[in-house]
Amino acid sequence: DVKVTQSSRYLVKRTGEKVFLECVQDMDHENMFWYRQDPGLGLRLIYFSYDVKMKEKGDIPEGYSVSREKKERFSLILESASTNQTSMYLCASSDIFTGENTQYFGPGTRLTVL
Amino acid sequence: AQTVTQSQPEMSVQEAETVTLSCTYDTSESDYYLFWYKQPPSRQMILVIRQEAYKQQNATENRFSVNFQKAAKSFSLKISDSQLGDAAMYFCAYRRIQGAQKLVFGQGTRLTINP
Repeated sequence: DVKVTQSSRYLVKRTGEKVFLECVQDMDHENMFWYRQDPGLGLRLIYFSYDVKMKEKGDIPEGYSVSREKKERFSLILESASTNQTSMYLCASSDIFTGENTQYFGPGTRLTVL
Repeated sequence: AQTVTQSQPEMSVQEAETVTLSCTYDTSESDYYLFWYKQPPSRQMILVIRQEAYKQQNATENRFSVNFQKAAKSFSLKISDSQLGDAAMYFCAYRRIQGAQKLVFGQGTRLTINP
């Protein structure tokens, strides 16, 4: 089974803090994604990566950055957390070679910025 | 840009009955993928069913089936014989065939199963 893990289920930070959200997948997938989930808005893509050290902006990249130094790990960074970044963050991964095109999701990190 | 719309924020159904969740989308592409994902309370999002736009036949997975109407850009999910474990948020999602593999999600529908 594909396993996508995220470093924390719940996180509370203060405004202005630098926040790191970590995601690890164990299926050697090329693609990794960070989404933000808000009620009434569904999931919106923040950033994605299709290879080590490669990244592309999604629909809402402002205020975020990412890092992918190893294939299995994709980090989301909030350089200076703000209250409007309080949300659920979901990581996902997918394989580009099987043609299955299914994204597998982690359990999510619920971030509260005070 | 592609958009996905789920017009039913909440739905409820009696256990063992059938329920249909609606989804419409907008795209200028002729080939693409459509998905339904399920997110149970406090649990991981999982894929329920997938449809390739070039396939005429509606996808089916056990009690879950879709009604894919390409011309109308509609992709509804039917759950037959609803079970308590079906209670969850359901998200409809779209993905292009070519280019970036990102998913475009609808707003979600919260499904409640009444015993």
